[in-house]
Amino acid sequence: GQNIDQPTEMTATEGAIVQINCTYQTSGFNGLFWYQQHAGEAPTFLSYNVLDGLEEKGRFSSFLSRSKGYSYLLLKELQMKDSASYLCAVRGRGTGRRALTFGSGTRLQVQP
Amino acid sequence: GAVVSQHPSRVICKSGTSVKIECRSLDFQATTMFWYRQFPKQSLMLMATSNEGSKATYEQGVEKDKFLINHASLTLSTLTVTSAHPEDSSFYICSAPRTSNEQFFGPGTRLTVL
Repeated sequence: GQNIDQPTEMTATEGAIVQINCTYQTSGFNGLFWYQQHAGEAPTFLSYNVLDGLEEKGRFSSFLSRSKGYSYLLLKELQMKDSASYLCAVRGRGTGRRALTFGSGTRLQVQP
Repeated sequence: GAVVSQHPSRVICKSGTSVKIECRSLDFQATTMFWYRQFPKQSLMLMATSNEGSKATYEQGVEKDKFLINHASLTLSTLTVTSAHPEDSSFYICSAPRTSNEQFFGPGTRLTVL
């Protein structure tokens, strides 16, 4: 099975940097995804990590340590529109098992 | 632009009726699609894996006779909620992997059963 933990809520200030952590325990690992989800909408893809290290994409970066079962999403130069839920999701191993298991999500509130 | 579409976006129905939701991959073929359900303020929960040319695989606790899945072609999967009841009211979302490191979600279907 898979168990994914991330903080329930976070608050940050416009223009600042925020790091959202995710820890996971899984019987098989084949990649970790981060998604952004605004209320009432479907998740939108942010990043994908399968190897250890940092992936940078504009204001968003994602880090993975497979040995520690740990990832984080880093958001820089926060904007009000970044207020949303951020979902950490793990994909299991096996060609027939490409479904994602999601954490409960972290609701980020960006304040002026 | 969107790579996965879903229809309808919103549906309201009476208890006991059936509702069909379509999920389409727009510019790629998807031999596998996934159906998720999300209740308010909760995360996405996988319901089933839709396989083109074979039976769907259901997660534990999901009734296959109630949630009928048909993967009719390489770009279309349908989920039919049969004999819907108010507890089935939820946000239903499909996803399709375009490559090994890209998995896109449809815009979702909000189902309300009266």
